[in-house]
Amino acid sequence: SQQGEEDPQALSIQEGENATMNCSYKTSINNLQWYRQNSGRGLVHLILIRSNEREKHSGRLRVTLDTSKKSSSLLITASRAADTASYFCATDNQGGKLIFGQGTELSVKP
Amino acid sequence: GAGVSQSPSNKVTEKGKDVELRCDPISGHTALYWYRQSLGQGLEFLIYFQGNSAPDKSGLPSDRFSAERTGGSVSTLTIQRTQQEDSAVYLCASRGEISGANVLTFGAGSRLTVL
Repeated sequence: SQQGEEDPQALSIQEGENATMNCSYKTSINNLQWYRQNSGRGLVHLILIRSNEREKHSGRLRVTLDTSKKSSSLLITASRAADTASYFCATDNQGGKLIFGQGTELSVKP
Repeated sequence: GAGVSQSPSNKVTEKGKDVELRCDPISGHTALYWYRQSLGQGLEFLIYFQGNSAPDKSGLPSDRFSAERTGGSVSTLTIQRTQQEDSAVYLCASRGEISGANVLTFGAGSRLTVL
């Protein structure tokens, strides 16, 4: 299985701090994506990084990818209470399906 | 439509009954996915469609689960003789592209509770 593994499973921080979540995967990929899920809702796409990219930014989000270690990290800078959600990585191996990790539950306290 | 629509949003059924869950993808999206999410867990891949065919149905847990898609649009996930372990949120997504890469747009899910 190519399912990603994420750590930590849960993360609790104060507003204004940075949050870092990690994702590891098992096989080669075409790209890796991060999604966010608010409680009781569907997932929303945040950012995508291709296998030939090492770092990508989008607003307060920074994603890195290390294909030699088969790992990625998502950094949320200057976190806000509204960032409280579960965050999932998903790998696309060109086979058509995206495989999701178990997720990191982020709690940002005001 | 503007987004992915799923129905019903909530379904409570008795063990042994059959249920049907519906997904209406974004207009023009040719690929459609079904995932299952148990409480506090990640997403478990079930099946995906490209057009009306299912190149990968490897995630269906048992032969009680089936899915179809007609007209390259609406999809139905059917669970026969439901069991309590089928209780979960069933998420549907359709696939669009961002700069040539596959990105999924999810519906809000159908929460199934089997008593």
